[in-house]
Amino acid sequence: EAQVTQNPRYLITVTGKKLTVTCSQNMNHEYMSWYRQDPGLGLRQIYYSMNVEVTDKGDVPEGYKVSRKEKRNFPLILESPSPNQTSLYFCASRYRGSGTDTQYFGPGTRLTVL
Amino acid sequence: AQSVTQLGSHVSVSEGALVLLRCNYSSSVPPYLFWYVQYPNQGLQLLLKYTSAATLVKGINGFEAEFKKSETSFHLTKPSAHMSDAAEYFCAVSQLQGAQKLVFGQGTRLTINP
Repeated sequence: EAQVTQNPRYLITVTGKKLTVTCSQNMNHEYMSWYRQDPGLGLRQIYYSMNVEVTDKGDVPEGYKVSRKEKRNFPLILESPSPNQTSLYFCASRYRGSGTDTQYFGPGTRLTVL
Repeated sequence: AQSVTQLGSHVSVSEGALVLLRCNYSSSVPPYLFWYVQYPNQGLQLLLKYTSAATLVKGINGFEAEFKKSETSFHLTKPSAHMSDAAEYFCAVSQLQGAQKLVFGQGTRLTINP
């Protein structure tokens, strides 16, 4: 079954304690993204990756890092989390070909930073 | 730059009534357009997409949307609302060429009244 998995699904942490949210896809897609969802703001792209070792900033990259060492994995790293990073995070994997564009979302990670 | 505007952050309809969720986009090049649905405490699910084929697109759960280039719109409709349609709906746009970025609207929360 084609899927995107994220872990953990829920996380409560404290300011400044480094954390990593993992993301994995089994569809061999080259393009992956991280989004955050906040009420009234929709989904905003944090970082994206167009292939292994190729990453770039999205709209709200401050306070986040990513890496893409393997095609299937795209972890999101918060080196020093702050309360304004409390949000719902989605990883997505995307296939884009001639005449088609399909994005698959993970189930989400709800992060609370105290 | 591309952008998406969803008119109305909250829409309320009676069960059995027409559902109309509005989406307008701006894009300097031909777009791909998407509608996603998010049920409470769940991730995003693709409802339907327009990728430059037929302008009237049919999706899952009886929803459809029409791409109107002259109005730069991609409104989502369903003839008869069901209680299970209560959810948040997101319109999104990407471009056929160039940047691969997917830009989301702010979301519309649909409530169904019995």
